[in-house]
Amino acid sequence: EVQLLESGGDLIQPGGSLRLSCTASGFTFSNYAMSWVRQAPGKGLEWVSALIGSGESTFYADSVKGRFTISRDNSKNTLYLQMNSLRAEDTAVYYCAKFWVAEFDYWGQGALVTVSS
Amino acid sequence: DIVMTQSPLSLPVTPGEPASISCRSSQSLLHSNGHNYLGWYLQKPGQSPQLLSYLGSSRASGVPDRFSVSGSGTDFTLKISRVEAEDVGVYYCMQALQIPYTFGQGTKLEIK
Repeated sequence: EVQLLESGGDLIQPGGSLRLSCTASGFTFSNYAMSWVRQAPGKGLEWVSALIGSGESTFYADSVKGRFTISRDNSKNTLYLQMNSLRAEDTAVYYCAKFWVAEFDYWGQGALVTVSS
Repeated sequence: DIVMTQSPLSLPVTPGEPASISCRSSQSLLHSNGHNYLGWYLQKPGQSPQLLSYLGSSRASGVPDRFSVSGSGTDFTLKISRVEAEDVGVYYCMQALQIPYTFGQGTKLEIK
């Protein structure tokens, strides 16, 4: 059974940093591209970042480019999102999602990040 | 960026009745391999999104056959033949043809 478990969500002050983790199980993690998708309170879904199985290629939404860094440790079956210079508008539930063909076939339960003073 | 537009945004439906959601993209989602890079997702209340369909017209594993998807290019439709109470939630379409991947605004289906 595929499982994705996010951790690291917290209340953080504007300008601060936070690292999210997503631990995967039930599939060969290194074979699949992964993404982070976020959802602000009461809002829709927004794709944030992605990287391929090897981790060599990364992609970002303009809204987070230069502030967020996606990475993975295939030996630990773990995906990361390092978030720096956080802003109030980054407040959201962050989901990690497994990419298959042209869609996200599995999603984690989400990690809440609240940016507020 | 490819803009995804869904309609309607709110969809009240009587149980047992059909429902239909439209999703339009600002550019064709037809890949050179012949597949449309369009997926549908359902986010039930309090839950993470779940995949309903992929590549424009294929139902995901475990999705009831009362759900059907169709379309190509820029126009896509999700249909529910007979709505059940468990179908409530917000439905999203998403394009994965080009980065940034983009979602529609979401269509909230509720039971009358």
